[in-house]
Amino acid sequence: DQQVKQNSPSLSVQEGRISILNCDYTNSMFDYFLWYKKYPAEGPTFLISISSIKDKNEDGRFTVFLNKSAKHLSLHIVPSQPGDSAVYFCAARGATSGTYKYIFGTGTRLKVLA
Amino acid sequence: DGGITQSPKYLFRKEGQNVTLSCEQNLNHDAMYWYRQDPGQGLRLIYYSQIVNDFQKGDIAEGYSVSREKKESFPLTVTSAQKNPTAFYLCASSGQGWYNSPLHFGNGTRLTVT
Repeated sequence: DQQVKQNSPSLSVQEGRISILNCDYTNSMFDYFLWYKKYPAEGPTFLISISSIKDKNEDGRFTVFLNKSAKHLSLHIVPSQPGDSAVYFCAARGATSGTYKYIFGTGTRLKVLA
Repeated sequence: DGGITQSPKYLFRKEGQNVTLSCEQNLNHDAMYWYRQDPGQGLRLIYYSQIVNDFQKGDIAEGYSVSREKKESFPLTVTSAQKNPTAFYLCASSGQGWYNSPLHFGNGTRLTVT
């Protein structure tokens, strides 16, 4: 049962243009959502997050949007740079019996073309 | 510098042997997590611990065991009962802030079992 889904395995974008990465979730009790960037053979690096009480959060070139009614979040990168090429994971936090765990999607590989 | 240290970076074992992966953090975080990454499957949660001397099974705990005797340390043992142990293992931790507590990851251990 995949509670967090990233349906696009890969995405190619021209340098300077906008990259939009999408993520869907099924559990309406998730209260905190995060995006991570990952290079091969390294740990994921935290990019940006958003709580369920907001619908938008910005940090420099990165903006995350949350649509709770659609159970959908997206990450916008503007402008895209070649160094942004990596695998991006979305994650959601949920509670089970008083403990909290983070569930990840399967990732989207972004390639920014120079 | 605060962070999470996973050792070793690469680990090789023969089938049938138990192996323990180390994870140490100096971020003073209460919660620690173990994830496994396989190609095309994202990050899957193995075990997590919210406080010392307590831990919970994640989504794929079978064949694994953990201990949390110290706040700083959360070692993972991959037992001979784990059917497909070859993978990239990631340890993470998170702090106390409710909407400001992203997971921080180590750089991973790649385990190869032959």
